[in-house]
Amino acid sequence: AQTVTQSQPEMSVQEAETVTLSCTYDTSESDYYLFWYKQPPSRQMILVIRQEAYKQQNATENRFSVNFQKAAKSFSLKISDSQLGDAAMYFCAYRSDSNYQLIWGAGTKLIIKP
Amino acid sequence: DAGVTQSPTHLIKTRGQQVTLRCSPKSGHDTVSWYQQALGQGPQFIFQYYEEEERQRGNFPDRFSGHQFPNYSSELNVNALLLGDSALYLCASSERRGTWGPSEQYFGPGTRLTVT
Repeated sequence: AQTVTQSQPEMSVQEAETVTLSCTYDTSESDYYLFWYKQPPSRQMILVIRQEAYKQQNATENRFSVNFQKAAKSFSLKISDSQLGDAAMYFCAYRSDSNYQLIWGAGTKLIIKP
Repeated sequence: DAGVTQSPTHLIKTRGQQVTLRCSPKSGHDTVSWYQQALGQGPQFIFQYYEEEERQRGNFPDRFSGHQFPNYSSELNVNALLLGDSALYLCASSERRGTWGPSEQYFGPGTRLTVT
């Protein structure tokens, strides 16, 4: 069975600085997708970034980028120029190519210090 | 363009009662998935509906059942509520694209269920 592990329950960063959130996963499949979702206090889960396993190039979305290490089964999220609005729970999620359900990590609470 | 909507926002039920939660998918989406998120944890997949049928199911008992209507909206029903059913219930919609696989899942704001 696939699993997703986020080993950092909480991270804090100074506004305008860079922070990296860690995620590791376990799977025996070769085709899959990885996601980072953000859940602010409003509770709505918002997709931040998506990575297809077959792509070697790391995904980027404005200030958000990932470091995808397929052999190491690692998928970290880097947030550059942190803003107060980035404060939220961040969840790493996995979906196989043959299965539509998302498998989630336990989340990392990101605190932005002004 | 309306996103995923869920109702009610929150509700309180008593142990043993039954509850129905509702979800309307994002325009153009035909697949609805339900997740349970206990406090301080990541979501857990309950089941997914497509073409009015349950297509996949997570590790949840039969007390959890659902339905999808012709307009793609969906209901989640939970019978014989337990204290442990207290959680945030998230609905996500997506679009099946045949051999290309589903689109990303878009989430609603959730329904907070408290069982006393």
